[in-house]
Amino acid sequence: DVKVTQSSRYLVKRTGEKVFLECVQDMDHENMFWYRQDPGLGLRLIYFSYDVKMKEKGDIPEGYSVSREKKERFSLILESASTNQTSMYLCASSLRGLEGYTFGSGTRLTVV
Amino acid sequence: ILNVEQSPQSLHVQEGDSTNFTCSFPSSNFYALHWYRWETAKSPEALFVMTLNGDEKKKGRISATLNTKEGYSYLYIKGSQPEDSATYLCAFTPGNTPLVFGKGTRLSVIA
Repeated sequence: DVKVTQSSRYLVKRTGEKVFLECVQDMDHENMFWYRQDPGLGLRLIYFSYDVKMKEKGDIPEGYSVSREKKERFSLILESASTNQTSMYLCASSLRGLEGYTFGSGTRLTVV
Repeated sequence: ILNVEQSPQSLHVQEGDSTNFTCSFPSSNFYALHWYRWETAKSPEALFVMTLNGDEKKKGRISATLNTKEGYSYLYIKGSQPEDSATYLCAFTPGNTPLVFGKGTRLSVIA
């Protein structure tokens, strides 16, 4: 019954590495989102996509990029990981309209 | 950036107590208000999507109300159980744009 899958639950990377966080959904949703969760700050939007090949910056896109080559897959890329990108990353998807978001289980990334 | 405020930040209640928390959001250009429950080590799970002023939604012992004119929503839990322990998130959108989340209310129910 898996609906939104994030490739890794825990990840440790070194400063300066290029990091790929993968997210796949099997519900044929048009909309996909990447958020990060930090203590005391709540969920903050990094990037989102409303269609294949489409991407839009969220509130905190600096240091990140995304790729959506197929409808079901939305990848978050950290071009050169830094310690301030240590966080919990959550992927979500939704249908158009007023459906709730379906979230993945999150990737806890530590950059050392 | 839109601001969504939740209070209290955390709450400890005894099993059987009823409780409620608040979500405040901008009252202009309202489109939808969402509530999610996020249990430790799990994914956030949608509870309610609310769109109309005066909306009341219920799922089991959990219910929510919405006042779009004054920009607030309440989430109520009747007869709290230990399994209700979680962080409750509200999220707002003024249109067909991504949700803006509050920081959440962390509920601990003590048996």
